[in-house]
Amino acid sequence: AIQLTQSPSSLSASVGDRLTITCRASQGISNSLVWYQQKPGQVPKLLIYEASSLERGVPSRFSGSGSGTDFTLTISSLQPEDFATYYCQQFNSFVVTFGGGTKVEMK
Amino acid sequence: EVQLVESGGGLVKPGGSLRLSCAASGFTFETFSMHWVRQAPGKGLEWVSSISTSSTYIYYANSVTGRFTISRDNAKNSLYLQMNSLRAEDTGLYYCARDYGDYGFFDYWGQGVMVTVSS
Repeated sequence: AIQLTQSPSSLSASVGDRLTITCRASQGISNSLVWYQQKPGQVPKLLIYEASSLERGVPSRFSGSGSGTDFTLTISSLQPEDFATYYCQQFNSFVVTFGGGTKVEMK
Repeated sequence: EVQLVESGGGLVKPGGSLRLSCAASGFTFETFSMHWVRQAPGKGLEWVSSISTSSTYIYYANSVTGRFTISRDNAKNSLYLQMNSLRAEDTGLYYCARDYGDYGFFDYWGQGVMVTVSS
């Protein structure tokens, strides 16, 4: 199965900060990657699909980039509601896999 | 409004079985592939299984192959997961999730049902 490695696994940040989370695939997956946000006690929410397309209703401060094996999720100006855990997920193969998650905490 | 409601979870001993159900509403169930995704307490997300619209294509994570069986009944707008030979490491919250559009990622999730495997 394709492995996804997210980094960092956790970070501390302040409101207004620019954040970048990375996701590296163990083999090339073209642009078959999505990003989710999960808050405690809630279900995951789709943010970005096909590496860089913003899901409808998601604020434009979220953006995604990358192709092949290296991907990034960027939050241009962190808002209080953005403190959460973020997961990447690949769908290049029929066996879907998730990254280990990045927990964004308040500094 | 899209709704996915899981049921059937509970406490089971190692080696035991459970059958999870997911009742779907608010969309044309038979036109969407469906998935099960789980999350161990305090841990990350793990995809478990997927099933195509007419059950032609079915896939499993290596960790559950041979023990779990996914199925669906389009007439009843329902998704199922038969879980046999359960292990402690199968403990977690099991989510039913709708495929975005036969892509392999998920746009709607149920609230999840808890499965605890313990003696």
